[in-house]
Amino acid sequence: GAVVSQHPSWVICKSGTSVKIECRSLDFQATTMFWYRQFPKQSLMLMATSNEGSKATYEQGVEKDKFLINHASLTLSTLTVTSAHPEDSSFYICSARTWDLSSYEQYFGPGTRLTVT
Amino acid sequence: AQTVTQSQPEMSVQEAETVTLSCTYDTSESDYYLFWYKQPPSRQMILVIRQEAYKQQNATENRFSVNFQKAAKSFSLKISDSQLGDAAMYFCAYRSPVIQGAQKLVFGQGTRLTINP
Repeated sequence: GAVVSQHPSWVICKSGTSVKIECRSLDFQATTMFWYRQFPKQSLMLMATSNEGSKATYEQGVEKDKFLINHASLTLSTLTVTSAHPEDSSFYICSARTWDLSSYEQYFGPGTRLTVT
Repeated sequence: AQTVTQSQPEMSVQEAETVTLSCTYDTSESDYYLFWYKQPPSRQMILVIRQEAYKQQNATENRFSVNFQKAAKSFSLKISDSQLGDAAMYFCAYRSPVIQGAQKLVFGQGTRLTINP
C-alpha cells in the first residue's frame, strides 16, 4: 500500500512552453502533498506544500507564478512549470501524506526529470 | 529554522562490513521526528528508519540501526553486514511535531555510500 505515482517520468520541452507534472496517490487519500526539486548530486529542496482544496504554500524564493500547484482532489496534485527555461531543468519529486495526523511518513513518488531545451 | 547537516559527502565500505553515516541537526523544539532515507540510482526515495525524539531507545530495522543522541543533536545511521544493494545516496531528515504545521521534511545534504565487493 501507500503508493504514489508521477507522470510523466521524463519530459523534454522547448524553452517558453509550459509543462504539467501529475502526482497521484494510488491507494490512499492524500490531504497534503509536497513538491521537491533536486539538482544533480544535491539534496531535495522543498518547493511548496499543498493541501487538498486550498492554495499551496510556497517556500521562500520559489516563484509561485512560475510553479503553479493545484491540489484539486484527495488523490491528485499537479505542478505546472510555466514559460519553462533551461534553468528549470531538474528532477521534480512529489510526496504525499494522509489525513491521519499521527502518521509520521511521507510517501514519495518516483520523480519526474524535466529537460528544457 | 531547523537545519540538518551531513558532513560526509561520500563514504565507502567493503561488502559485509559495517559503516556509520553521520548526521547532526539544530532545533529548539523538544519533540520531533528524525528519518534516514535512501535514494538508489532509480532515485526513488525509500524510508530506511525513523526515530521519535521522545523515545530514548534507539530505533532498529534489521541491519540498520541509529545512534540517537538528543543532547548532542546527533543522529547517526549504522549499516551492518553491508550489501551491494545498500549502495545509494542517504539523506538524514528532520520533521517537526505532528501538531505544528504541515510537518514538512528538512533534508541534509546527503552522503553517497559505495559498497566495494
